[in-house]
Amino acid sequence: DAGVIQSPRHEVTEMGQEVTLRCKPISGHNSLFWYRQTMMRGLELLIYFNNNVPIDDSGMPEDRFSAKMPNASFSTLKIQPSEPRDSAVYFCASSLLLASGELFFGEGSRLTVL
Amino acid sequence: LAKTTQPISMDSYEGQEVNITCSHNNIATNDYITWYQQFPSQGPRFIIQGYKTKVTNEVASLFIPADRKSSTLSLPRVSLSDTAVYYCLVGDGNAGNMLTFGGGTRLMVKP
Repeated sequence: DAGVIQSPRHEVTEMGQEVTLRCKPISGHNSLFWYRQTMMRGLELLIYFNNNVPIDDSGMPEDRFSAKMPNASFSTLKIQPSEPRDSAVYFCASSLLLASGELFFGEGSRLTVL
Repeated sequence: LAKTTQPISMDSYEGQEVNITCSHNNIATNDYITWYQQFPSQGPRFIIQGYKTKVTNEVASLFIPADRKSSTLSLPRVSLSDTAVYYCLVGDGNAGNMLTFGGGTRLMVKP
């Protein structure tokens, strides 16, 4: 299996622009997670899905952030409008079962908002 | 949610055994202990998971005392490529409570 695939790997945009990050989980995995990592705040869980249904979005910082999982093989994290403080590495992860505790992470999308 | 405490950083030399301890004083009966490794510019990678006593795989060993209030990740004969951040997570998996990463331990392996 190719692992969790994220795109784009790097994105530089200007404040106010819409950003869409994409994730393809490992085939057969039932749970998908979006994390954000910064030097100041470390790894933060933003939202996670189980069987394509959002379970907990309490980590989503503001209404500017939204995430969808229209099917088992695709998820998006959207920021609209983007702000400089959104600059971070965004990781997507998937797991076979929500309760397994074994997450498989993608390589991340590094976002820079100018 | 069980809180974990780890040293912020550790230094070691190639060929040495490294032990990283994580404190989780309020661990619950059904909680498991999971360790991840993160290299620069990569996502975290699952290393090992355990409930009690000792677990060993091809990468590391995990020692958990009887009271389970702490756990120790043991890396045998480290190399430069083991330089990474190591995270300890605790939870039973229900309600997604095994998903919170703390600050981790930054291990630097020197030649």
